[in-house]
Amino acid sequence: DAGVIQSPRHEVTEMGQEVTLRCKPISGHNSLFWYRQTMMRGLELLIYFNNNVPIDDSGMPEDRFSAKMPNASFSTLKIQPSEPRDSAVYFCASSFAASGGMYEQYFGPGTRLTVT
Amino acid sequence: QKEVEQNSGPLSVPEGAIASLNCTYSDRVSQSFFWYRQYSGKSPELIMSIYSNGDKEDGRFTAQLNKASQYVSLLIRDSQPSDSATYLCAVGYSGANNLFFGTGTRLTVIP
Repeated sequence: DAGVIQSPRHEVTEMGQEVTLRCKPISGHNSLFWYRQTMMRGLELLIYFNNNVPIDDSGMPEDRFSAKMPNASFSTLKIQPSEPRDSAVYFCASSFAASGGMYEQYFGPGTRLTVT
Repeated sequence: QKEVEQNSGPLSVPEGAIASLNCTYSDRVSQSFFWYRQYSGKSPELIMSIYSNGDKEDGRFTAQLNKASQYVSLLIRDSQPSDSATYLCAVGYSGANNLFFGTGTRLTVIP
């Protein structure tokens, strides 16, 4: 049973370039979350979707960041233009949200982004 | 403001001892509680979930929840060097799909 799949696993890019991170949630899950983790700030929620609809994007740091979920099995997080301070590990997680609130989230392996 | 607080550690325990990790949360309208383990360079891995007051045991792990005092803890019995990791506490609130994470406690088990 495949878990959350993320690609690429590592990305090194130059400042100003566009970066696209990809995520495939666990089949059957209806909620998807994008997180960023750094030593300084820990794990931060950027945005999450429920049934492909963005619910809360208050964690998106600025307009350079955008996320889409065109269907239940695919989501992207785009940074344009990228800056060195965007260097972090970006995690995607998914869960099955139902009444009762038992929202166990399962994380993908992450994308380590380095912007030089 | 919903907050989840943990001691950042590091917490060091000798091999075979009990490791006790604690977490407090700020909002009483909470209903689900989770512990994640994160090894260095890896992603968070769900190891325990608890939804009602009391203890829940799974192998060497016991999660304890006290909603009146707004804390949740994780006990690791017979600690092993392989338990050395950062442990993240997460809280889910009624009406929201997302979880609120603490900053994590780094545990080191000394052989």
